[in-house]
Amino acid sequence: DTAVSQTPKYLVTQMGNDKSIKCEQNLGHDTMYWYKQDSKKFLKIMFSYNNKELIINETVPNRFSPKSPDKAHLNLHINSLELGDSAVYFCASSQDQAGNTIYFGEGSWLTVV
Amino acid sequence: GESVGLHLPTLSVQEGDNSIINCAYSNSASDYFIWYKQESGKGPQFIIDIRSNMDKRQGQRVTVLLNKTVKHLSLQIAATQPGDSAVYFCAENGGNYGQNFVFGPGTRLSVLP
Repeated sequence: DTAVSQTPKYLVTQMGNDKSIKCEQNLGHDTMYWYKQDSKKFLKIMFSYNNKELIINETVPNRFSPKSPDKAHLNLHINSLELGDSAVYFCASSQDQAGNTIYFGEGSWLTVV
Repeated sequence: GESVGLHLPTLSVQEGDNSIINCAYSNSASDYFIWYKQESGKGPQFIIDIRSNMDKRQGQRVTVLLNKTVKHLSLQIAATQPGDSAVYFCAENGGNYGQNFVFGPGTRLSVLP
């Protein structure tokens, strides 16, 4: 069983559309994250949630809205998609905030055309 | 050899040789470091970690060295195999137990037959 699973794996959509990426972890972790990886492989944190509460919100356009219905799920909704949003989005989780290993999902490849 | 610049730094090694991947971290307050391996089309995968109270830690075929004086981290892979071909990232926690890990730019390891 995949520990951190995210869907869809591939998503091609037109500019201006709204889309969501779902993430679930079955590790019993308290903390979940969304990372963005650009075409140069640079990984940058977007959001972090601990027990459904927002902990980290980096400088991300407010078109991006994370939602955590429970601590095992952290979904990412993106409104009014732009060409520059094309990237790979990784969901991740860790046991808690106290300096523990972060485990990543397999990524969602978003292409905006 | 190793190349840097606008492209992802690449290290090419012969199969069976040892590989050393280097990382300069930025925050002297960082006290927890992780090396990740990312294969093509997959998410970053945990390899090995080290806390700042250590300067060396060994795993299976991998060793991480930490030099806090010069803020340098290295990953040594013994007897490099074709399956080791991937992009390797170092990550530092910034001394922040809010888990805002910062990832390095990554190094692509290519194993030559």
